[in-house]
Amino acid sequence: EVQLVESGGGLVQPGGSLRLSCAASGFTFSSYEMNWVRQAPGKGLEWVSYISSGGTTIYYVDSVKGRFTISRDNAKNSLYLQMNSLRAEDTAVYYCAREGGARRFDPWGQGTLVTVSS
Amino acid sequence: DIQMTQSPSSLSASIGDRVTITCRASQSISTYLNWYQQKPGKAPKLLIYAASSLQSGVPSRFSGSGSGTDFTLTISSLQPEDFATYYCQQTYSTPRTFGQGTKVEIE
Repeated sequence: EVQLVESGGGLVQPGGSLRLSCAASGFTFSSYEMNWVRQAPGKGLEWVSYISSGGTTIYYVDSVKGRFTISRDNAKNSLYLQMNSLRAEDTAVYYCAREGGARRFDPWGQGTLVTVSS
Repeated sequence: DIQMTQSPSSLSASIGDRVTITCRASQSISTYLNWYQQKPGKAPKLLIYAASSLQSGVPSRFSGSGSGTDFTLTISSLQPEDFATYYCQQTYSTPRTFGQGTKVEIE
């Protein structure tokens, strides 16, 4: 079964850091591009970051550039999101999603909640 | 950045109704358009990719159409399990923007 499982969320103070992980199973992780998408409480979906299968091409939404870093370890079938200088507006459920043919996002993980508050 | 605008933002419908949701891109995105369904507390689920291709395992009552800037998601006969929020997403360029969502509620 193709599966993505996020972890690492939690409560952090403004200005703090957090590292999210996404463990992949059931498919050849190294062959797929991956993304992070977030959803603030009661709000819509916001794409956050993309990484190519080999990790050489990376994109971010403007609001996280310079603060967030996406990475992957293909040997460990894992995707990461290092989040620094966190702000209240970064509070959201963070999902990882596999990008397949025709640039479709499928599947998605169950999400991990990040709360930035003092 | 490409802006995606969905309409309506919400709608009320009855079981068996035909439901249409539209999504407009601020510039041409060819057919790089996906549709997702999200239920409360759950991750989004892919329904349609490349504007009109049905994802494996998704019921055939769901269909998508369009190209360029205007797209539609149609549910031919609304079922109880279809009450959810639906999002379009363009993957023509980064940032891979989503529409604001359309909440489908029971009338």
